[in-house]
Amino acid sequence: DTGVSQDPRHKITKRGQNVTFRCDPISEHNRLYWYRQTLGQGPEFLTYFQNEAQLEKSRLLSDRFSAERPKGSFSTLEIQRTEQGDSAMYLCASSFSGESNYGYTFGSGTRLTVV
Amino acid sequence: GNSVTQMEGPVTLSEEAFLTINCTYTATGYPSLFWYVQYPGEGLQLLLKATKADDKGSNKGFEATYRKETTSFHLEKGSVQVSDSAVYFCALRKGYNKLIFGAGTRLAVHP
Repeated sequence: DTGVSQDPRHKITKRGQNVTFRCDPISEHNRLYWYRQTLGQGPEFLTYFQNEAQLEKSRLLSDRFSAERPKGSFSTLEIQRTEQGDSAMYLCASSFSGESNYGYTFGSGTRLTVV
Repeated sequence: GNSVTQMEGPVTLSEEAFLTINCTYTATGYPSLFWYVQYPGEGLQLLLKATKADDKGSNKGFEATYRKETTSFHLEKGSVQVSDSAVYFCALRKGYNKLIFGAGTRLAVHP
């Protein structure tokens, strides 16, 4: 395990459809984060987990968004009834909670296009 | 609240030119500061960090100094290469909390 893996890399979906993304963090990392990045902007925080517990959710995360990390390992982010405004790069990152002064390790992201 | 402001891009330089990308932050207390780089089609990579005032982070010829008096963390490199072309993000983190990013600065280096 050499990094954070995200699947799929690209997803094109029709408006109104549901989509699900997966993130596999670095195995030793107990924290997992989801960010959203739109064109020309920096990543915006969505939510994070410590082990299986979802500890914080951004106000950006509407009721159509749900994230899970059932066994404290991989995580899924689901978007229901997608809208064109959901088109963005969804980034996953992981870290170890004992390393407060270090940044995260990011995955390559899932690019979502809603048509 | 906590926030990060970066200079707008794009920054266009010739190879071997000197680079400065400005970053200032707003935060209570003593955040840790980071620079991330994003190459085309890839995720973010940690470039360098500093965890307390006057610390200098450095990596791959890039460096940035944590200046608490000016709440700044400007990124510099003495001689850029074409391969440095990417988007650079300044970010801060308070303790164990989430990273907060600036909007990013695109750097284009031409031969």
